[in-house]
Amino acid sequence: DAKTTQPPSMDCAEGRAANLPCNHSTISGNEYVYWYRQIHSQGPQYIIHGLKNNETNEMASLIITEDRKSSTLILPHATLRDTAVYYCIVRERETGANNLFFGTGTRLTVIP
Amino acid sequence: DAGVIQSPRHEVTEMGQEVTLRCKPISGHDYLFWYRQTMMRGLELLIYFNNNVPIDDSGMPEDRFSAKMPNASFSTLKIQPSEPRDSAVYFCASSQAGGEETQYFGPGTRLLVL
Repeated sequence: DAKTTQPPSMDCAEGRAANLPCNHSTISGNEYVYWYRQIHSQGPQYIIHGLKNNETNEMASLIITEDRKSSTLILPHATLRDTAVYYCIVRERETGANNLFFGTGTRLTVIP
Repeated sequence: DAGVIQSPRHEVTEMGQEVTLRCKPISGHDYLFWYRQTMMRGLELLIYFNNNVPIDDSGMPEDRFSAKMPNASFSTLKIQPSEPRDSAVYFCASSQAGGEETQYFGPGTRLLVL
């Protein structure tokens, strides 16, 4: 069963920040939040993950609420190449518990 | 590193034929995963290996599907006999234990069973 809820689709203007929300109200203390994306006809691509602190890398920022029941993936300056399906996944990060459940994700369309 | 390599990229076969999909994981990765993606069911895990040993094959749909990992650099997913409902994109992914444990996916094999 999906542990996350995401809007099915979103649009974002090119050059603007894309903010993708994710609800994970049943997340447990040892579960991390992972984000992947899948560009059309390609394999999923890892973006970022976090436990409870906000995280930032070269691709995106991840903001996790204090109660950890929701998070937001931020693409600071969306480009046309960011058009993809974005998956929010919660999972335990320990050896032997490597199953990723992808759900249906959010289809982000970046508009010129 | 070349990333995860899958072959063939496209496969068209007739119902009843044997299909073999191949995967070369990233060197040094301990885990290898096989996923299947369809419009109806999305992306679902079929089986994964740790150090060449199958750990969880609960996602394998039925006995027609089998997967092997004879060594750390090669894995196969075999469907025998194939059926039209097996048509999907099959992805292989690998990850490294003890590190970030993020999964790196290959480009996929697009299978069409007529």
